[in-house]
Amino acid sequence: EVQLVESGGGLVKPGGSLRLSCAASGFILRSYPINWVRQTPGKGLEWVSFISSTSTYTYYADSVKGRFTVSRDNAENSVYLQMDNLRVDDTAVYYCARQQYGSGIFDYWGQGNLVTVSS
Amino acid sequence: SSELTQDPAVSVALGQTVRITCQGDSVRSYVNWYQQKPGQAPLLVIYGKNNRPSGIPDRFSGSNSGNTGSLTITGAQAEDEADYFCNFADSNGRYVVFGGGTKLTVL
Repeated sequence: EVQLVESGGGLVKPGGSLRLSCAASGFILRSYPINWVRQTPGKGLEWVSFISSTSTYTYYADSVKGRFTVSRDNAENSVYLQMDNLRVDDTAVYYCARQQYGSGIFDYWGQGNLVTVSS
Repeated sequence: SSELTQDPAVSVALGQTVRITCQGDSVRSYVNWYQQKPGQAPLLVIYGKNNRPSGIPDRFSGSNSGNTGSLTITGAQAEDEADYFCNFADSNGRYVVFGGGTKLTVL
């Protein structure tokens, strides 16, 4: 069974840092790109970041560029999102989502992890 | 435009047919559709031209016309009450966009 499990969220003050993890199981992680998508409580989905299957390519939404860094360790079956200089408007549930190779389809999502940025 | 526009809310009587639309330039290719129930992660229900992942009931279908993509539920059930999001993403990861979501109420 394909599973993605996020962890590492919590409460942080503005300007602080958090590192989210996405643990993958039930499939070969190195074969798939992974995206991070966030959702503000009660609102829509916002794409945050993409990392290709071998980490060759990484992309970011303009809203997080320069502050967030995505990485992965295929040997550890994990993907990470380092979030620095956090702002109040980064408060959201963060999902990791598997992207089917060669397509734009996000076929499996984690259960989400809440990040709250507040003083 | 880089946006995908959805109606904020739609309602349907139990057992009737409902269409949820998604409009935008990205829809000239195919959009994907996700269902999200409260407290749950999004679930892929339609992808590509009109494909359903395993386990998704065949009452869900998708279509495209010009710059409008549609998700149709034929014979809506109470368990279909949820938020529905459309999305387009290129395979290279450089471009990803989500619609604002449509809250479906089954009456």
